[in-house]
Amino acid sequence: NAGVTQTPKFQVLKTGQSMTLQCAQDMNHNSMYWYRQDPGMGLRLIYYSASEGTTDKGEVPNGYNVSRLNKREFSLRLESAAPSQTSVYFCASDRPEGGYTFGSGTRLTVV
Amino acid sequence: AQRVTQPEKLLSVFKGAPVELKCNYSYSGSPELFWYVQYSRQRLQLLLRHISRESIKGFTADLNKGETSFHLKKPFAQEEDSAMYYCALSGWAAGNKLTFGGGTRVLVKP
Repeated sequence: NAGVTQTPKFQVLKTGQSMTLQCAQDMNHNSMYWYRQDPGMGLRLIYYSASEGTTDKGEVPNGYNVSRLNKREFSLRLESAAPSQTSVYFCASDRPEGGYTFGSGTRLTVV
Repeated sequence: AQRVTQPEKLLSVFKGAPVELKCNYSYSGSPELFWYVQYSRQRLQLLLRHISRESIKGFTADLNKGETSFHLKKPFAQEEDSAMYYCALSGWAAGNKLTFGGGTRVLVKP
């Protein structure tokens, strides 16, 4: 039982490049989330998906797109990376008893 | 709109001393409050939720609705408690999404 799996763990991009962060969960959870973690700002919600086939914007969606491919997978895409998107990205899924299970994170640097 | 405030960015204590991490929130309705812990460069792990009223790793937290607070306490800090701690809130009005505070880094010195 792997929980929430994120790939890649590290990535360096040049400004303007694109990439997709992958996330998969094997717990049959309905809701999935993408957060970014920045020093002093905690975790801020980028996008979420309440169920397969639905996605909604969170607090900081600009510059990002998402796809809920199926119940297991929820990907985050940066179409044209900017230095302001340098951050640690966490994927999470919603536990039925409350709270989230988090992935191990992707450390992204945009130069 | 819901908001979670953790006023201390850094708490430095000696091993064996008590530690208290403050968390204040604003929310219209009955929130659910959580504490998450993140050890160095690892994933966030659920530490406590107010509904369960349990003690994990010696930590406790009490929801005070009058003061809108959910402070985390431990009477005797250990070096392995050094980590980043996040207070978080969810509730029906927020679509059950978690809103996080800015985090408090705890450093327990030997």
